[in-house]
Amino acid sequence: SQTIHQWPATLVQPVGSPLSLECTVEGTSNPNLYWYRQAAGRGLQLLFYSVGIGQISSEVPQNLSASRPQDRQFILSSKKLLLSDSGFYLCAMGRVAYEQYFGPGTRLTVT
Amino acid sequence: GIQVEQSPPDLILQEGANSTLRCNFSDSVNNLQWFHQNPWGQLINLFYIPSGTKQNGRLSATTVATERYSLLYISSSQTTDSGVYFCAVERVDSWGKLQFGAGTQVVVTP
Repeated sequence: SQTIHQWPATLVQPVGSPLSLECTVEGTSNPNLYWYRQAAGRGLQLLFYSVGIGQISSEVPQNLSASRPQDRQFILSSKKLLLSDSGFYLCAMGRVAYEQYFGPGTRLTVT
Repeated sequence: GIQVEQSPPDLILQEGANSTLRCNFSDSVNNLQWFHQNPWGQLINLFYIPSGTKQNGRLSATTVATERYSLLYISSSQTTDSGVYFCAVERVDSWGKLQFGAGTQVVVTP
């Protein structure tokens, strides 16, 4: 079965520090991978998606970047965190017109 | 982009009550999913339902794609049903990207 791992589960970082969040998936090959963010409140916003190794598309201009160095690995990064980067980050996998599955998430607090 | 509207935004139920959550969307979709977000933040897949009707225990869902809406039914609610319910849609030709509604916060009281 398909499994998504995310780490760390929680993170507290000072403003201006770098960030690296990792997502790995199991049980499938060549999936589409997605990073979403949920700010305080409810809405989930798509940040990045990838349809293959090295292929990244950004949905919104921001302080973050993403990379996909391996088929089943998706990384979210920042060189210098802002207070507004705080939130709950969710990695997801899926395919066009198929069910999408989400990882357990990383809760990031920027102080 | 596609608009996704969920109603009601908040719902308070007594244990044992039935309820209906609604999701309206503004364009043709490849995919529609219902999720339950638990207190730890995990998104639990409830239904993958681009059209038709499905049932899973006390939950069922119906999507009428031609009229661009979906309904989630909760019957005989239990306190464990509390949480936020999200509808998310994948617009045609959007590489699988999901657009989420704002969610319905459900509180089930004993």
